[in-house]
Amino acid sequence: DVKVTQSSRYLVKRTGEKVFLECVQDMDHENMFWYRQDPGLGLRLIYFSYDVKMKEKGDIPEGYSVSREKKERFSLILESASTNQTSMYLCASNIKSLDTQYFGPGTRLTVL
Amino acid sequence: GENVEQHPSTLSVQEGDSAVIKCTYSDSASNYFPWYKQELGKRPQLIIDIRSNVGEKKDQRIAVTLNKTAKHFSLHITETQPEDSAVYFCAASSSNSGGSNYKLTFGKGTLLTVNP
Repeated sequence: DVKVTQSSRYLVKRTGEKVFLECVQDMDHENMFWYRQDPGLGLRLIYFSYDVKMKEKGDIPEGYSVSREKKERFSLILESASTNQTSMYLCASNIKSLDTQYFGPGTRLTVL
Repeated sequence: GENVEQHPSTLSVQEGDSAVIKCTYSDSASNYFPWYKQELGKRPQLIIDIRSNVGEKKDQRIAVTLNKTAKHFSLHITETQPEDSAVYFCAASSSNSGGSNYKLTFGKGTLLTVNP
């Protein structure tokens, strides 16, 4: 059974804090993705990775960085959290390009 | 980059009616068009997808049509049921600068409500 997990369902942080969101998949997928979901804006791609230690900017990478040291794990880092980064963050993975993306349950991040 | 427009943003139908959601895309090189369904409080899940070498695909009550010339594709749900109520997202693929890896650009979503 396909499984994508995220480290937290809910997270509350202060402005200026460094925030780590972690995503783990157990399907040996090549590609992993980080999206943020905001009402009325749909799913917007922040970063994606197609191999260990490889990363590509998505559509809204500003204020974020990522790390993929192991194939199964993809981390999203907010270097200095700001209130406009309050959002739902969704991780996804797929075995190869142009294939089904499997999503994690999401992390709802609130930055105060 | 790719731009995907999705309409309508909300759609309310009576149980048993059909529902149609339409999307347009900008990148003529896009060749993969999935549709995801997200129920309230749940994660998005793929319900159907279509590749550019076909014009239509069906799966029981769900169908997707693709017009590459006009750069638009549509989701059709027949005999709607209350459990079809959800947010539906269309998406289109685009490649990175090297042309070897692909990402999806999503539409803003359609909230479908099926009234019993």
